[in-house]
Amino acid sequence: ILNVEQSPQSLHVQEGDSTNFTCSFPSSNFYALHWYRWETAKSPEALFVMTLNGDEKKKGQISATLNTKEGYSYLYIKGSQPEDSATYLCAFTGWGAQKLVFGQGTRLTINP
Amino acid sequence: DTEVTQTPKHLVMGMTNKKSLKCEQHMGHRAMYWYKQKAKKPPELMFVYSYEKLSINESVPSRFSPECPNSSLLNLHLHALQPEDSALYLCASSQEPGGARGQGWTGELFFGEGSRLTVL
Repeated sequence: ILNVEQSPQSLHVQEGDSTNFTCSFPSSNFYALHWYRWETAKSPEALFVMTLNGDEKKKGQISATLNTKEGYSYLYIKGSQPEDSATYLCAFTGWGAQKLVFGQGTRLTINP
Repeated sequence: DTEVTQTPKHLVMGMTNKKSLKCEQHMGHRAMYWYKQKAKKPPELMFVYSYEKLSINESVPSRFSPECPNSSLLNLHLHALQPEDSALYLCASSQEPGGARGQGWTGELFFGEGSRLTVL
């Protein structure tokens, strides 16, 4: 059974502060790691997909890193804004897989 | 606006009812998915359709019956559900299915907003 763990489960941050959270995944048979952003009452939207150890991706003030040898990825948000409030999901794909296995998400709330 | 449309957004049904959830995409994607999500849990895969054929059934009870009438539509037929089946049901699509000839797959999933199901 594949286990994808995210921590923390929830996070409250003041507007303007920076924050980060973690996704842990199996390091064996790794192929890709995905990050999704899911705002309340909307659909999850893809942020990043990473495949190589040491990959770093950036979109605006959000960035992500990948360590496939130890099986973790970090998502960073610099200078949080209220519109960054969402649940951030990571998902793992193994080699030859037909599906994404999701973590339970980190629910981020930015306080104005 | 999401390009994957799910209806209805909310559904309340009794344990003896028969209902269906519908999902539609017009992006020309060849794979479609049903996920189930309960509060504070990860989305769990239920079914995958690749090129309109069922390719994965994650040991889902037969009271859930998927159907893919064509490449744009995906249905989930519900019958004799239990209260513990109450959850958010997410539909998703991807351009291509994964697992082709043992190759890697970085397929991005495009999700609908989900159908919130309550079973009384």
